[in-house]
Formats: sequence, C-alpha cells, structure tokens
Amino acid sequence: AQSVAQPEDQVNVAEGNPLTVKCTYSVSGNPYLFWYVQYPNRGLQFLLKYITGDNLVKGSYGFEAEFNKSQTSFHLKKPSALVSDSALYFCAVRDASGYSTLTFGKGTMLLVSP
Amino acid sequence: EPEVTQTPSHQVTQMGQEVILRCVPISNHLYFYWYRQILGQKVEFLVSFYNNEISEKSEIFDDQFSVERPDGSNFTLKIRSTKLEDSAMYFCASSQGGSGREKLFFGSGTQLSVL
Repeated sequence: AQSVAQPEDQVNVAEGNPLTVKCTYSVSGNPYLFWYVQYPNRGLQFLLKYITGDNLVKGSYGFEAEFNKSQTSFHLKKPSALVSDSALYFCAVRDASGYSTLTFGKGTMLLVSP
Repeated sequence: EPEVTQTPSHQVTQMGQEVILRCVPISNHLYFYWYRQILGQKVEFLVSFYNNEISEKSEIFDDQFSVERPDGSNFTLKIRSTKLEDSAMYFCASSQGGSGREKLFFGSGTQLSVL
C-alpha cells in the first residue's frame, strides 16, 4: 500500500529565511508526487508535481520541491519565506504503474513570523 | 480560475440521521472524488466517480455511503445513518482526466459534525 509521511506537525520560520517542509513516501512502483496547500476556509490548492524528468520541480508562489529517489523524499522548499505563505501543506503520492488513488500525508502547518 | 463549490460549509446533524453533502465540480471535468479529514488526521480517500459510476472506493466507503450525479452539474455524497465517527471535513474534488498525472481541484469542504 502506498503512504506518505510528513514528520513535522508544524514548521516555524522567520520571514525572509529559507523554508523546508519534509515529505517521504512509499509506493510499490514509480511515484507521481504532489504538493497541495490549504489556506484558512479554502480548499486544497495544487502547488506543484513531479511526474518524471528533472528532480527539481518548480511550482506556484516561488515554491520548489526536490525528488530524491534513494531517500524516497519530496521535500518542499522556498528560498525566502513570506508571512503570506503561512498555511497547511499536504504532500501526496500516486503510484505511476497503474491507476491508483491519491494518498495524502496528514499535513504540516507552516507559520512564517514577521 | 474555475472552482469546485461545496455546500453547505457546515452541517450539524444528530446521530442516525441522513445527510447529503453537495458539490458542483468544474464544468468540463469528468472525474469526481470525495475525500475526508478527521480533525488532526490525514486526508483520506473515500471514492472516485467517472461516467456515472464508482471507479474506486476505499474501505471507509461502506454501505452507509453513496454518491450520485443527479444532473449535469451536481455531485453528492449521502451518508444514510450518520455515526459520531463520521464527523470530519469532507472535500469534493474533480479533474479533467483520470490519469495519475492529473492534478485535482478541491472545494473548500463541508465540516460535518455528528452529535
């Protein structure tokens, strides 16, 4: 069965500093990997995805994520955090070898302080 | 950008009552989904729906749950006899295609509280 782990319930970072939100995954085949963000009272919004190719994926709002197959990780990063980045971030995985459901992690709350 | 809309945003019901959660997916999307998140836990897949039938469902989606696309725009989740443990945020989602590469578009959720 596929699974996603987000080891941190909350990440705190000061505005202007780099941020990392961690994600590791488990699938039987090759993964399709996604990051979604949820702002208060809003639905989950797509940020970026890794399907194939370059391990560094760039997405919305200056976010990027690096796929590391040997470590089965897909950490979300941003070089300089903004207060407006404060939100709940979800990592998700799908098995690329066949149709499968999208499996989410439990989410990491990112708090960026001024 | 087009949005998935869900109504109501909050629903309070008594245990044993039936509830219907409503969703309007993005108009040219063909694949529809329900997920839920119990407070503090993971977002869990419930069911996917395509071409007027369920394409996949999780073990959570038992006989108490059903989905329907009653017309060309709405997609509903019915819980026949609610239990306390059904209290959760329920998210509807849609996608244009059904491949694993597709991103899902989510609604803002319905918070269901079963008393």
